[in-house]
Amino acid sequence: GNSVTQMEGPVTLSEEAFLTINCTYTATGYPSLFWYVQYPGEGLQLLLKATKADDKGSNKGFEATYRKETTSFHLEKGSVQVSDSAVYFCALPGSYDKVIFGPGTSLSVIP
Amino acid sequence: DAGVIQSPRHEVTEMGQEVTLRCKPISGHDYLFWYRQTMMRGLELLIYFNNNVPIDDSGMPEDRFSAKMPNASFSTLKIQPSEPRDSAVYFCASSRPTIRDLPGELFFGEGSRLTVL
Repeated sequence: GNSVTQMEGPVTLSEEAFLTINCTYTATGYPSLFWYVQYPGEGLQLLLKATKADDKGSNKGFEATYRKETTSFHLEKGSVQVSDSAVYFCALPGSYDKVIFGPGTSLSVIP
Repeated sequence: DAGVIQSPRHEVTEMGQEVTLRCKPISGHDYLFWYRQTMMRGLELLIYFNNNVPIDDSGMPEDRFSAKMPNASFSTLKIQPSEPRDSAVYFCASSRPTIRDLPGELFFGEGSRLTVL
């Protein structure tokens, strides 16, 4: 079945630093790929998505490109802010309308 | 529009007591999911419903856990009897159906933090 792996955290960065959170997947075919974000004390929310190979999803300054050659969907942001401190989950469809989430990567941005 | 509404936000109870968590999904969403989140195990799917019918409850950890969805606007997750290892944040999420292999966006509630002493 489909699965996703993402880099272990926690990640601590200074404000305005460049962010990369790695995500790789195993899947049959070319499924849609997602990044969800969970801010402290809240539920998860969709950050961005890509529906086919070579697509780039973007939102709130974050970007991720669907790379079928490397089966990757790395999350990037050029300049992080304190307000980006959260847990980030890579995800893809599972069987029967389920969504499979990675373990999450905690990001702390310090002023 | 109101999002997914969960109650209670916080629950502290003693071992052996019954716990009932409640969820109101977004109107028009056909799917409802119950997740559990802990530091040790991360985010786990417990059970999900489609049009009020349970589709997959393989994630329900034990018979002590049960979930119902009596109508399209309400679902409960019950733990009876509760144990300290059930302490976690329980999330409810709802979504529209998958269209052309693209699952509907999941909308999560703010969660119910359960502490069993």
